[in-house]
Amino acid sequence: ILNVEQSPQSLHVQEGDSTNFTCSFPSSNFYALHWYRWETAKSPEALFVMTLNGDEKKKGRISATLNTKEGYSYLYIKGSQPEDSATYLCASRGSNSGYALNFGKGTSLLVTP
Amino acid sequence: KAGVTQTPRYLIKTRGQQVTLSCSPISGHRSVSWYQQTPGQGLQFLFEYFSETQRNKGNFPGRFSGRQFSNSRSEMNVSTLELGDSALYLCASSLGIGSADTQYFGPGTRLTVL
Repeated sequence: ILNVEQSPQSLHVQEGDSTNFTCSFPSSNFYALHWYRWETAKSPEALFVMTLNGDEKKKGRISATLNTKEGYSYLYIKGSQPEDSATYLCASRGSNSGYALNFGKGTSLLVTP
Repeated sequence: KAGVTQTPRYLIKTRGQQVTLSCSPISGHRSVSWYQQTPGQGLQFLFEYFSETQRNKGNFPGRFSGRQFSNSRSEMNVSTLELGDSALYLCASSLGIGSADTQYFGPGTRLTVL
């Protein structure tokens, strides 16, 4: 994988559902994986930075895992709430991207009451 | 602490003109990165500056340039604007250029080229 890919592109869940998204990134010469939440009309907000294989991070109902050997990260949201509606972006940093943050196109989440 | 600020927030230009966008990082942050977002695309990396030096550059034509000042404020310039330059331009600041340094984003400048 040369680019960062995120799936699904969009997701619509009901309030209270748990959900997860996938981020795939180049596994060679990997340095770090960043997750952001981007709400409409706001700035992207940093959620997690992960660097080590097997890393798990948690912030409230949101958690993320990292597998650097196979080049993927999962973001989980437990008990989705309408305020979780946003686009979730992941970005990897490694030599394949010239050490710049290389962003995926994001997963757009809509949580309805 | 004040967040990242960008000016102007909205801009309308015509083809062939040039434009300068400004970014003020969070106090104490020495790195500024610029990104472009167009519909259907992810954030595309433009450049990264640290201590007034361009450390990294994305795959954009030479019409896109930038600079960073001694107070870490940064500007980017686009010359000879094209319709395809219409986009949201975001800047982000971080303490340094370490791979795990979190980048904090500004609200963006929405550029429309007519």
